[in-house]
Amino acid sequence: KQEVTQIPAALSVPEGENLVLNCSFTDSAIYNLQWFRQDPGKGLTSLLLIQSSQREQTSGRLNASLDKSSGRSTLYIAASQPGDSATYLCAVLFSGSARQLTFGSGTQLTVLP
Amino acid sequence: SAVISQKPSRDICQRGTSLTIQCQVDSQVTMMFWYRQQPGQSLTLIATANQGSEATYESGFVIDKFPISRPNLTFSTLTVSNMSPEDSSIYLCSVEEGPNQPQHFGDGTRLSIL
Repeated sequence: KQEVTQIPAALSVPEGENLVLNCSFTDSAIYNLQWFRQDPGKGLTSLLLIQSSQREQTSGRLNASLDKSSGRSTLYIAASQPGDSATYLCAVLFSGSARQLTFGSGTQLTVLP
Repeated sequence: SAVISQKPSRDICQRGTSLTIQCQVDSQVTMMFWYRQQPGQSLTLIATANQGSEATYESGFVIDKFPISRPNLTFSTLTVSNMSPEDSSIYLCSVEEGPNQPQHFGDGTRLSIL
């Protein structure tokens, strides 16, 4: 069964810290992996998309890496800010799927001022 | 990227009634999906909305409970039928503009059933 796991489920850090969120997936045959942010009661905002042929993607203070062979991705957030507080979701588009994403359960991040 | 408008943003409904959620995209998209997010949970795919044909449902979801329409490449509806408190969730529409493109989500519909 194709599954996506995120650790930790929750994380609390002081403002200014660099942090890493982890995502693992059970099948290395993927099209791409996407990181999202979700604020309470809201929809999802796409942060980064990494294609299966890529190793990393960067956007501002965010850097996502992909190691397909080990079934892992990390989202690195530099110099965290209270506005970064949200739930971060990892989603994988597995090869052979009909284009639907498989989501992890998310990491709830709190950045303390 | 595509801009997705979802309506209503929230609603409180009585048990046994039905509600139709609309998803409008500002450009033509290949793929449209409907997801459910139960309280404290991650997202689960309900179905893929196919233009001009019946939706493709995931295991555990049936057309009688969640009828879906997709009359064109920019619009879809999801109906939650004969609602019970267990249907209280956020329902989200997403689109994929093409292969190797990210999927984008609407703001969701927060549904509470009394």
